[in-house]
Amino acid sequence: SYVLTQPPSVSEAPGGTATITCGGINIGIRSVHWYQQKPGQAPVLVIYHDGDRPAGIPERFSGSKSGNTATLTISRVEAGDEADYFCQVWDTSSYQPWAFGGGTKLTVL
Amino acid sequence: EVQLVESGGALVKPGETLRLSCVVSGFTFSSHSMTWVRQSPGKGLEWVSSISHDSQDKYYAESVRGRFTVSRDDAKSSLYLQMDSLRVEDTAVYHCGRMEHSGSWYGVYWGQGTVVTVSS
Repeated sequence: SYVLTQPPSVSEAPGGTATITCGGINIGIRSVHWYQQKPGQAPVLVIYHDGDRPAGIPERFSGSKSGNTATLTISRVEAGDEADYFCQVWDTSSYQPWAFGGGTKLTVL
Repeated sequence: EVQLVESGGALVKPGETLRLSCVVSGFTFSSHSMTWVRQSPGKGLEWVSSISHDSQDKYYAESVRGRFTVSRDDAKSSLYLQMDSLRVEDTAVYHCGRMEHSGSWYGVYWGQGTVVTVSS
């Protein structure tokens, strides 16, 4: 199955900019989606199709891709952004089409 | 308001069986593909299974293929996961999700989850 690699943890002070990366072979040709998950809660979609935001997600959340890396950027970080973030792709060539990254814990200092 | 509510989780012994349910409201269930993911204690999200809107396409993670079966009942707006031959490593919170497609498939709405514990 397709492998997505994320850093285990990222830290940022309130008001700063947090960047979370997601690496994968040929990720540039794949559509990347991002989820936020807080302890004991359901996952929340924060970015879909590389850089689109669902309704209700603040503009502070943005997504991009370059080369073999997709990036979730959270601007003006707030305490409420502290959570685990997962990237995901759908691998059409695999019989196990869903692939999640291992997740990145964002700590707001 | 879109809602997905899972149920059926329990404490069971290895080798036993469980059936998880996910009842949805707030959208036309029959028009959407659905999925199950799980999160084991201290670990990340793991995709488990997906089913197309018409039940024609079903997908399973290698770790559950042959033991789990996904199904749906559009009349009841319900998604199911039949879990046979459960193993200790199946212990997790199981979330159901509604799938959408933009570039590729993803989960747009998710339930809070139901807890499955497999232990002797």
